Amino acid sequence: EDKVVQSPLSLVVHEGDTVTLNCSYEVTNFRSLLWYKQEKKAPTFLFMLTSSGIEKKSGRLSSILDKKELSSILNITATQTGDSAIYLCAVVKTGNQFYFGTGTSLTVIP
Amino acid sequence: DTEVTQTPKHLVMGMTNKKSLKCEQHMGHRAMYWYKQKAKKPPELMFVYSYEKLSINESVPSRFSPECPNSSLLNLHLHALQPEDSALYLCASSQEVRGGVAFFGQGTRLTVV
Repeated sequence: EDKVVQSPLSLVVHEGDTVTLNCSYEVTNFRSLLWYKQEKKAPTFLFMLTSSGIEKKSGRLSSILDKKELSSILNITATQTGDSAIYLCAVVKTGNQFYFGTGTSLTVIP
Repeated sequence: DTEVTQTPKHLVMGMTNKKSLKCEQHMGHRAMYWYKQKAKKPPELMFVYSYEKLSINESVPSRFSPECPNSSLLNLHLHALQPEDSALYLCASSQEVRGGVAFFGQGTRLTVV
C-alpha cells in the first residue's frame, strides 16, 4: 500500500528560527514529489522535485529529494509569522495520481 | 494564468438535495482532479480525469458523480449526501505529462444538514 508520511505533525517555533520538515514515501511508480503550503483554502505550490540531490530554492525556502532514502526535506530559514501554515508533500505516480502526506502544521510565534 | 476557479465557494444542502460543484481552468491542462479535505487532514484523492476520461476513481460512493464536459470544465454532482460528507472539496488540474504540478482551486466548503 502506498504511503506518504510527514514529520513532525506539528511544530511551534519563534520568529527567526530555522525549521526542517520531513516527508518520506513508499509508493510504486514514483514520478515526482511536490511541496505545497496550505493556509486557509487552496494548497499553493512551492517546489517540484524529480531528481535526487538537486536542491530547489526560493527565498528562505529550499527543498531536496533523496530517492535512495525515499524522502525529502523542506527547510525554512529565518521563519516569519507569515510562514505559519500546513505544509503538505504530495507524491505523484504514473497516471497523474497525486497522494498527499499527513501534513506538518507550522506555527511561528513572534 | 495559473487559476483554477471553483463555484460555489460555500454550499449548504439537505440530505435529499441534488447539487453540483463546478471547476474551470484555462491553462490547457488535460488532467483534472477532485479532492475531499476534512478539517486538519490532508486532501484525499477522489477522482482523476485524463483527457476528459475518468482514469481513477478512489472507491468513492456513488452519491458523488463526476463529469468532465470538456477539457476546461469539471463537475461533481452530489445526491443523497450524508452529514459526514461535509468537507472542503478541492479541484485541481495539471499538465498530463511527467507528473506535472497540480494547481488547486480555492475549494467549495460543503455542509450537509
